[in-house]
Amino acid sequence: QQQVKQSPQSLIVQKGGISIINCAYENTAFDYFPWYQQFPGKGPALLIAIRPDVSEKKEGRFTISFNKSAKQFSLHIMDSQPGDSATYFCAASDTGNQFYFGTGTSLTVIP
Amino acid sequence: EPEVTQTPSHQVTQMGQEVILRCVPISNHLYFYWYRQILGQKVEFLVSFYNNEISEKSEIFDDQFSVERPDGSNFTLKIRSTKLEDSAMYFCASSIAASYNEQFFGPGTRLTVL
Repeated sequence: QQQVKQSPQSLIVQKGGISIINCAYENTAFDYFPWYQQFPGKGPALLIAIRPDVSEKKEGRFTISFNKSAKQFSLHIMDSQPGDSATYFCAASDTGNQFYFGTGTSLTVIP
Repeated sequence: EPEVTQTPSHQVTQMGQEVILRCVPISNHLYFYWYRQILGQKVEFLVSFYNNEISEKSEIFDDQFSVERPDGSNFTLKIRSTKLEDSAMYFCASSIAASYNEQFFGPGTRLTVL
């Protein structure tokens, strides 16, 4: 059972462009939605997270948009930089402990 | 900056052998986790551990798996009799508190079962 669906699988963006990664979930009990960033050879690192009581959360160039009725959430990276090139995972949790991860998006930002 | 460390970085074993993957969580963290990522697939939760007990586990975490905190710093995952399908990257994570707190991940151990 795929708890969290993530798209696209890979994304190529020009420097300065906007990167958008989308996730959808089925379990309405999920109430915590973190995004993780992973560089090659490293473990995932928390980028930004949102609870369903807000529709948007922004931290610097990174924004999560959350649509509770559609059971979808997305990560927007504004002014994308080559250093943002990494794999991004969305996740969801209903306990705050066990995370259900998406399949990951490989982002490449072209200089 | 404190970080989670894992050893070894790569473990190769024969099918049926026991393996122990080791993790040193961040020192003041109290909650510990194991995840695995089969090549090209999503990261999957295995188990969470607090106060020397398993607090949650997934259906993947069957009787072949066990976790232990043998001393004040290490957190281990044991696979008793490895199967080919256990080949994956295994990540350890830790958090200072439960529920909705940031989990800090280690760099992972790549397990290859031949």
